[in-house]
Amino acid sequence: AQSVTQLGSHVSVSEGALVLLRCNYSSSVPPYLFWYVQYPNQGLQLLLKYTSAATLVKGINGFEAEFKKSETSFHLTKPSAHMSDAAEYFCAVSGGMTGNQFYFGTGTSLTVIP
Amino acid sequence: GAVVSQHPSRVICKSGTSVKIECRSLDFQATTMFWYRQFPKKSLMLMATSNEGSKATYEQGVEKDKFLINHASLTLSTLTVTSAHPEDSSFYICSAQGDSSNTGELFFGEGSRLTVL
Repeated sequence: AQSVTQLGSHVSVSEGALVLLRCNYSSSVPPYLFWYVQYPNQGLQLLLKYTSAATLVKGINGFEAEFKKSETSFHLTKPSAHMSDAAEYFCAVSGGMTGNQFYFGTGTSLTVIP
Repeated sequence: GAVVSQHPSRVICKSGTSVKIECRSLDFQATTMFWYRQFPKKSLMLMATSNEGSKATYEQGVEKDKFLINHASLTLSTLTVTSAHPEDSSFYICSAQGDSSNTGELFFGEGSRLTVL
């Protein structure tokens, strides 16, 4: 069984500050982990994914995430927040094979304060 | 990355009518498509999984007869909300997996906002 927990449904940061969005997972098989971003009234866009290669994964828009097996975590970070980063962020886990279901976290809404 | 197109992006209909939403994979063959429903400020709720040429697998609590899903080809899946009512108003999102993807990555459509008057 697989599941994802996102701590903090709302996160506010000042423009230029560090962004840290937390994600912990549970999985009975080696997980594939994903972060997606959703802007208002739009679908989801892939930010980055971990697929059992490098544990530090770099994504689009300056985001990165580190897979820590010992902590069962896959937190999303960005050194300096930009106003355009304000959006909803979803962490997801899957078993990695086509047809495997994705399990999404409940999402974290990021607000960037000017 | 692969492109998934969803149409229409917005639809307003009267109560009792049926609405069809299309989900197309534009540059890959989608062996599996998923339909999600998203309530305001909420996460995605998986409604059903559809595989090309076979019946969709619905999640518990999702009415099969209300939400008809057809995956007739490797590039098209449709969701039909039958006899829509105001409580069916929501944001519906489709996603697709390709048979060439070895990570099971999902590619999402832009979403369709349904408003039932």
